[in-house]
Amino acid sequence: QKEVEQNSGPLSVPEGAIASLNCTYSDRGSQSFFWYRQYSGKSPELIMSIYSNGDKEDGRFTAQLNKASQYVSLLIRDSQPSDSATYLCALQFYFGTGTSLTVIP
Amino acid sequence: GAVVSQHPSWVICKSGTSVKIECRSLDFQATTMFWYRQFPKQSLMLMATSNEGSKATYEQGVEKDKFLINHASLTLSTLTVTSAHPEDSSFYICSAYRADTQYFGPGTRLTVL
Repeated sequence: QKEVEQNSGPLSVPEGAIASLNCTYSDRGSQSFFWYRQYSGKSPELIMSIYSNGDKEDGRFTAQLNKASQYVSLLIRDSQPSDSATYLCALQFYFGTGTSLTVIP
Repeated sequence: GAVVSQHPSWVICKSGTSVKIECRSLDFQATTMFWYRQFPKQSLMLMATSNEGSKATYEQGVEKDKFLINHASLTLSTLTVTSAHPEDSSFYICSAYRADTQYFGPGTRLTVL
């Protein structure tokens, strides 16, 4: 298992705010990074993938990758109560510990 | 497209029995499938990589004789938990891999009494 660490949370933000989720990893050779969302009792849903340094935006979601510092982050703009879930960072097939996010109406 | 099913969705069995879980890619062929286990409040732990027509590759610490994986076709992989014990109770999730993307099944909740 590759080491993938996430801020464990739980993280609470008010509706409409920006939620920031972070992930660090140990394997410098990692090339593929993914963010997933998982609701309780369900399997993960892919939010986005990122392979190159910099930012990648998809709707309200922005992933940021910094290979030199070995971290990847996810920003959720205009957070909605439906965004309340556990967010999982993954390096290829290896998942981080997950961060629980609650968006307060 | 890219739908993956698992069967059963939940199963309860007695300690010492074996349980088989099926993972099917319904609308695409998957040379590679993955099996994960997730305990309550924990993340997904990769158990093994299943390759069609060859032996599965198990992650360190996963007993290959206890968790038998068969990937006999490009659309079906099975996980058999042999001689199940209460500590094997968990949420088992499979995924099928295509074009650098994992497509996850809905998961199987196993409870061993």
